[in-house]
Order: sequence, then C-alpha cells, then structure tokens
Amino acid sequence: DAKTTQPNSMESNEEEPVHLPCNHSTISGTDYIHWYRQLPSQGPEYVIHGLTSNVNNRMASLAIAEDRKSSTLILHRATLRDAAVYYCILRGVAKLTFGTGTRLTIIP
Amino acid sequence: SAVISQKPSRDICQRGTSLTIQCQVDSQVTMMFWYRQQPGQSLTLIATANQGSEATYESGFVIDKFPISRPNLTFSTLTVSNMSPEDSSIYLCSGGRGDSYNEQFFGPGTRLTVL
Repeated sequence: DAKTTQPNSMESNEEEPVHLPCNHSTISGTDYIHWYRQLPSQGPEYVIHGLTSNVNNRMASLAIAEDRKSSTLILHRATLRDAAVYYCILRGVAKLTFGTGTRLTIIP
Repeated sequence: SAVISQKPSRDICQRGTSLTIQCQVDSQVTMMFWYRQQPGQSLTLIATANQGSEATYESGFVIDKFPISRPNLTFSTLTVSNMSPEDSSIYLCSGGRGDSYNEQFFGPGTRLTVL
C-alpha cells in the first residue's frame, strides 16, 4: 500500500477552521484518499473520502491537489468534540492501512 | 450505515488462557475485519474475516494465535489464544462493503488486559 505522511500533532483554537495536511507522493491512479478520526476511547469513524475532485460533507471538506500527491482535510469550525487523532489513508483495496495520524488538540 | 457492537467491552485475563471476542453488525456487510491497537499506537490489521471460509491473515498474525470465525454476514468472532501480557491491547472489528470507495464502520473495541 502507498504510504501517507502526516504531522504528529496540531493545535487549533475553538471555532476556527483547521487544515490537516497529508502527503502521499506515491499514490496510484486507483487509490482513494480516505480520512478517519478516532475520538478518545472510541473506534475510528469515517470522515470523508475522495478520488480526484474536492469533496464536501456535513463533517468536513477534502481538498485534493491537482497531482494527487497531497490532500488537506478541512474542518470549517472546530469544536472541542473535534479533538481526535485524524488518519489519512490511501485505499486501493478493501482493507484500510492506518498510519500514525495527526493528534488534533482544540484550545478553548 | 451500519452499527457494530462488540462483547465484551473489556476483560482482564490470566496468562495462558484464551478469550473470544464477538462482533455483531446490525445489517449485512460484505467485508469484516479485525484490528489490534496496542497502547498509544495506531491500528494494525490482524485479518479479514471471510464468510464460510478461513480468514485471511496479515503478516505477523497466525491462525493458531488468532482464530477467527464468520458464520454469516453479520457476525464474527476473534479468539486470542494462549494469552501473554504482550497481547494486552484494544481489539476492534469493522465492517463494510469491499469497495475502496466506501466507508468502513468500526466497533467500540474490546480492551483486553492480560496479567
């Protein structure tokens, strides 16, 4: 599986937008970019995914670079409940391969 | 969507014993997976649970240590056999369709402590 690189940790102020970066320079043409997050003491939950075009849903937006070698998860207005570990995953087959993720801390 | 439950939610076990963890999905899913999350670490895939046939194990995991059953499209079990303290982890199951463009749903996990 192609690998992703994310910062180990990030901080953001409450009610401000958060941009979580992910590099995936070895992505293949058929890999989907998935984002999951894991809140404390819970199993991971799906956030968003995309292939080439930017995507929006009720939780977040996903901005994908034109060459697909990087992407950014955007939380438009962070709340304390968004404090979690965020995983960027390239998915070409059924299984998910988790990296180390970015631990997001929200400052009240 | 799918809701996944696991039993037990946590357990404390003695070295050398075995524990079976159950995973129940509230709707049919094509694929089911088992993961391990060691303290402070990310998730590691143990195996893909295949309905009616032997599970497909990832490198470093073997059937004798982690036997898995999946008798139907909504239920699976993972057994952690002959446990040692190194098996102390959170074990999670997940399910979903097999397509790479569909989401997976995760259970809350089973926290296992081996003394």
